[in-house]
Amino acid sequence: QVQLVESGGGVVQPGRSLRLSCAASGFTFSTYTMHWVRQAPGKGLEWVALILSDGSNNYYADSVKGRFTISRDNSKNTLYLQMNSLRAADTAVYHCARETYSSSSHFFDSWGQGILVSVSS
Amino acid sequence: DIQMTQSPSSLSASVGDRVTITCRASQNIRNYLNWYQQKPGTAPNLLIFAASSLQSGVPSRFSGSGSGTDFTLTISSLQPEDCATYYCQQSYSSPRTFGQGTKVEIK
Repeated sequence: QVQLVESGGGVVQPGRSLRLSCAASGFTFSTYTMHWVRQAPGKGLEWVALILSDGSNNYYADSVKGRFTISRDNSKNTLYLQMNSLRAADTAVYHCARETYSSSSHFFDSWGQGILVSVSS
Repeated sequence: DIQMTQSPSSLSASVGDRVTITCRASQNIRNYLNWYQQKPGTAPNLLIFAASSLQSGVPSRFSGSGSGTDFTLTISSLQPEDCATYYCQQSYSSPRTFGQGTKVEIK
């Protein structure tokens, strides 16, 4: 079955960096666009970034542009999020998600359980 | 960016009630609208895609409708296990913006 497992979260001081990983299994990872979505404590879902299946293009939310970098290693079935210059406002649970294209529509049909990133001094 | 606005932000209803949640897009998104259910401490779960298509395994009491800018998620007969927060999401363009969520509680 499809499985997405995030790792790499934790507590980090403002201004520091952290790299999240998302290990994928149960599907052909290299054929899917992948996303990161975050949820601050008690808040709603915020889309963060996407990367195309072959890594040829990516897109970022304005709130993280220039600080976060999404990447992937299709040989390792792994998605990454490099987070630099972290701020308190980046504190959230980060989910990776698979985007499927079907019936002329795009949707997130598989999600990881999420990993907590806490930015605090 | 396309803004998604849900209403209400929360609601309380009795078991068996018909529940309706609305979602409005800031521009025409055709039928590129998805609905997710999220229970506390868990990842979101896809309910509806392409505005009205029921995801496999989702109970038939959930349905979606709408096109253009106005969309609706309906629970035909609310069950205790439907207590959750519901989010709409547009997939017409990037960023794939979400609504702010609607929390559904049982009276």
